[in-house]
Amino acid sequence: DAGVIQSPRHEVTEMGQEVTLRCKPISGHDYLFWYRQTMMRGLELLIYFNNNVPIDDSGMPEDRFSAKMPNASFSTLKIQPSEPRDSAVYFCASSFAGRDTGELFFGEGSRLTVL
Amino acid sequence: TQLLEQSPQFLSIQEGENLTVYCNSSSVFSSLQWYRQEPGEGPVLLVTVVTGGEVKKLKRLTFQFGDARKDSSLHITAAQPGDTGLYLCRGSTLGRLYFGRGTQLTVWP
Repeated sequence: DAGVIQSPRHEVTEMGQEVTLRCKPISGHDYLFWYRQTMMRGLELLIYFNNNVPIDDSGMPEDRFSAKMPNASFSTLKIQPSEPRDSAVYFCASSFAGRDTGELFFGEGSRLTVL
Repeated sequence: TQLLEQSPQFLSIQEGENLTVYCNSSSVFSSLQWYRQEPGEGPVLLVTVVTGGEVKKLKRLTFQFGDARKDSSLHITAAQPGDTGLYLCRGSTLGRLYFGRGTQLTVWP
């Protein structure tokens, strides 16, 4: 079975450019999470969806970040305009057995470098 | 604010040694999970604990959830190079979800 699929795996862009990260969760999973990982701050929860509805976006750093989940099989995380401090690995994860105790299945991550 | 504190931050040991890493909080957690992350990959679930005092074993790994559900430990017996990775705890408290910063474990042959 296919796992969580993220694209692109690597993105290098210049400050001010728009960045769109994509995620395809595992079929049948009803929770989708976006995380950001850096050496300084570890894994930070940005936003999560339940049945395609955003539930908690309090981790989204600022208005430059937005996330959508138009259907059960696709989600995007957009940064506009991007800044060097946004450089990080962005992970998408999905689960089906509850928000707290369900196993998170992570994608391989999207490594973003903003110059 | 880091609600889940993990220690030690780094641990470097020889193959065959035993080790324990910790995940502590001042808050009560309704459940706690341990994940292992290898370079270039996403974290992978090792175990979920939900009951205070619960102990779970996974081959050479033993997980314990504190009686008060504010702390957890992971003990590895006879560590192997394949155990190398970042060990992360994740928990739910006050309606929100948190990951600890992790313990980076390196096991040398």
